[in-house]
Amino acid sequence: EVQLVESGGGLVQPGGSLRLSCAASGFTFSSYAMNWVRQAPGKGLEWVSSISDSGDSTYYADSVKGRFTISRDNSKNTLYLQMSSLRAGDTAVYYCAKDSVAVAASWFDPWGQGTLVTVSS
Amino acid sequence: DIQMTQSPSSLSASVGDRVTITCQASQDISNFLNWYQQKPGKAPKLLIYDASNLETGVPSRFSGSGSGTDFTFTISSLQPEDIATYYCQQYDNLPITFGQGTRLEIK
Repeated sequence: EVQLVESGGGLVQPGGSLRLSCAASGFTFSSYAMNWVRQAPGKGLEWVSSISDSGDSTYYADSVKGRFTISRDNSKNTLYLQMSSLRAGDTAVYYCAKDSVAVAASWFDPWGQGTLVTVSS
Repeated sequence: DIQMTQSPSSLSASVGDRVTITCQASQDISNFLNWYQQKPGKAPKLLIYDASNLETGVPSRFSGSGSGTDFTFTISSLQPEDIATYYCQQYDNLPITFGQGTRLEIK
């Protein structure tokens, strides 16, 4: 069974940093692109970032470019999202999601359970 | 960025009803359009990919159609367990964008 488990969320002050992790199992992690999607409380879905299977190619939403860094460790079957210069507007549940292809974002299936990031003083 | 406009934003229907949600892209996205279901407090779940392909294990009462800029998602006979918010998503161009969601309730 394909499983994605996020961790690392929590309360952080504005301007602070946080690193999210997503542990993957049940599939050949190194063969698929991976993604982060977030959902602010009571709001819709917002794509945040994608990374290719090898990690060589990364893509970001303009809202996080220059502040967030996506990475992966294929030896550990783990996806990361390093978040810095956090703002109140970054408050959301962050989901990791497996892509259907190796190189670029397509459809996301499955998704992890999500981890809540709250940016507040 | 490609804007995805879903309608309606909310919908109330009875069990057994046929339910239709539309999604319009701001430019031609061919068939690079997916549909997700999100139940309260849960992660989204893929239902339809590439506009009309039913994901494995998804009940056949769910279907999708369309290409270019106009897409339709249909539940042929609404069941109580279908109460959720539904989102369309395009992947023709980055950034990936989602529709604003359609909240489906039972009448």
